[in-house]
Amino acid sequence: AQKITQTQPGMFVQEKEAVTLDCTYDTSDQSYGLFWYKQPSSGEMIFLIYQGSYDEQNATEGRYSLNFQKARKSANLVISASQLGDSAMYFCAMRGFGASKIIFGSGTRLSIRP
Amino acid sequence: NAGVMQNPRHLVRRRGQEARLRCSPMKGHSHVYWYRQLPEEGLKFMVYLQKENIIDESGMPKERFSAEFPKEGPSILRIQQVVRGDSAAYFCASSPLPQQTSGGTYEQYFGPGTRLTVT
Repeated sequence: AQKITQTQPGMFVQEKEAVTLDCTYDTSDQSYGLFWYKQPSSGEMIFLIYQGSYDEQNATEGRYSLNFQKARKSANLVISASQLGDSAMYFCAMRGFGASKIIFGSGTRLSIRP
Repeated sequence: NAGVMQNPRHLVRRRGQEARLRCSPMKGHSHVYWYRQLPEEGLKFMVYLQKENIIDESGMPKERFSAEFPKEGPSILRIQQVVRGDSAAYFCASSPLPQQTSGGTYEQYFGPGTRLTVT
């Protein structure tokens, strides 16, 4: 069975600092995809970044990067130079090879202090 | 270039009533997924549909819940005889015809969600 674990229920970070949100996963699939989504207080799900299991380089999208360590089954999200607008819930997620559903973690609530 | 649309955005129902949630996928997308998010939790998969077909309903409760994606019109998630425990945010996502990308999987695009409150 596939599982996503996010061990940080909440985090407080000073504005302009970098922040790392932890995510570990469990799967027996050889091919899979890992995702991070942001959910602000307004409630919508915003796609941030994607990493394929066979991608050799860590994915980056602007201030977001995914620290992918396949042997450790971790897919941490790094946000550089945090901004007040980064305050939100962040969900790590994965989908296995040929699977239809995305499995989500329980989320981390990130709060940025001015 | 409209994204995934869901309506209504907020829905209030009394216990025992029916709730109908609608989802229009992105243009060109023929695959629809429904997820439920209980308060302070992550999203949980409910059902995956293609036009006129239910492909995977492994996450659907056995009773009172049904979903359809007709040949014409939006996908509908229907909850009969709602109870307070059905109060949640229901998200719809869509994707194009699934094709494996190199070493990975395709992305699902999420709608804004419908917040159902059962009083």
